[in-house]
Amino acid sequence: DIVMTQSPDSLAVSLGERATINCKSSQSVLHSSNNKNYLAWYQQKPGQPPKVLIYWASTRESGVPDRFSGSESGTDFTLTISSLQAEDVAVYYCQQYYSTPPTFGQGTKLEIK
Amino acid sequence: QVQLQESGPGLVKPSETLSLTCTVSGGSVSSGRHYWSWIRQPPGKGLEWIGYIYYSGSTNYNPSLKSRVTISVDTSKNQFSLKLSSVTAADTAVYYCARVPLKNWFDPWGQGTLVTVSS
Repeated sequence: DIVMTQSPDSLAVSLGERATINCKSSQSVLHSSNNKNYLAWYQQKPGQPPKVLIYWASTRESGVPDRFSGSESGTDFTLTISSLQAEDVAVYYCQQYYSTPPTFGQGTKLEIK
Repeated sequence: QVQLQESGPGLVKPSETLSLTCTVSGGSVSSGRHYWSWIRQPPGKGLEWIGYIYYSGSTNYNPSLKSRVTISVDTSKNQFSLKLSSVTAADTAVYYCARVPLKNWFDPWGQGTLVTVSS
């Protein structure tokens, strides 16, 4: 199984400031056929199911605010929230879909400082 | 847009079989562009994929659960189902169903249903 490791486990950021969450895969999730990283990011608010924010490592889902962005470098992936809003308080997960079983990171809890 | 809704007992006794159904509305489980999946989340913990099914009945299961899991699809009812046998307290979790475009990301998810394993 591909192991996804997120850092940090929790993060407190002031409103309007940048939040950065990291995710590292234990092996490449880059498919040579299409040169895409098979990596998604989800946001889970309390009492709600996860919601996809980003897929193909950097493609924003329709309707997701443009303050959310994803980037990639080898087996390292980053979710950035450029200007934190109160409604962004949540747990964020990365997930690889390169191979079966699909696996998730352990989650990063984002709070307001 | 497509919506998914889980249903089933919220309490299951140890050693028994957990059975859940996911009803799909606003879309069809017979869509050739999607797989249909179950994922679970123990209280306060992370996400674990259980398995996929395609409308044809083809399945993939998490090796960690494979010996106890069965996922089936009923295209006439636009539903798919999960059975997990020989449950223990470790199977207590919120169980989600989700649509999966071509074994890619999970979107959307149902609201989830808490299943507690206890005597």
